Amino acid sequence: QVQLVESGGGVVQPGRSLRLSCVTSGFRFSSWGMHWVRQAPGKGLEWVGVIGHDGLMTHYADFVKGRYTISRDNSKNTLFLEISSPRADDTAVFYCGRDQTSGYVDYWGQGTLVTVSS
Amino acid sequence: EIVLTQSPATLSLSPGERVTLSCRASQSVNRDLAWHQQKPGQAPRLLIYDVSNRATGIPARFSGSGSGTDFTLTISSLEPEDFAVYYCQHRSNWPITFGQGTRLEMK
Repeated sequence: QVQLVESGGGVVQPGRSLRLSCVTSGFRFSSWGMHWVRQAPGKGLEWVGVIGHDGLMTHYADFVKGRYTISRDNSKNTLFLEISSPRADDTAVFYCGRDQTSGYVDYWGQGTLVTVSS
Repeated sequence: EIVLTQSPATLSLSPGERVTLSCRASQSVNRDLAWHQQKPGQAPRLLIYDVSNRATGIPARFSGSGSGTDFTLTISSLEPEDFAVYYCQHRSNWPITFGQGTRLEMK
């Protein structure tokens, strides 16, 4: 069955970059686009961005403003999200998700919590 | 970006009741709209895509309708496991956005 497992979260100091990973199984990773979605504590879902199946296409939410970078390693069935210069308002659970057909997330991981705090 | 506005913010209902949730888009999204369900402490789950298509394993009591800017999710008879937060999401153009959610709570 489709499985998505995020890691890399934890407490990070403001300004120190971090990289989240999403290891996948149960489907042909290299054939599917992938999303990141975040959820601040007690808040709603906020789309972060998407990467195409071959890594050549990416789109991001307006708030990203160049601070987030999505990448993938198809040889390792793994998706990444790099956050540079994190701020307190980046504190959230970050979910990875498989792209069903150009925009819908049909499978979600369980999320990894990032807390930005000094 | 397209803004999705969900109403109401919270609904208090009892098992067995019928409920309709609303999602309004700031501009037309054609039929490029999905609904997700999220229970406390869990990841979201895709319920409906392209307005009215149920995702794999979703019970028939869930249905969606609408087009353009106005959409609804209907649960025909609430089960105890349906009490959760529901989000609409469009894919009409970039960036994708979600509505702010409707919380369905048990009366």
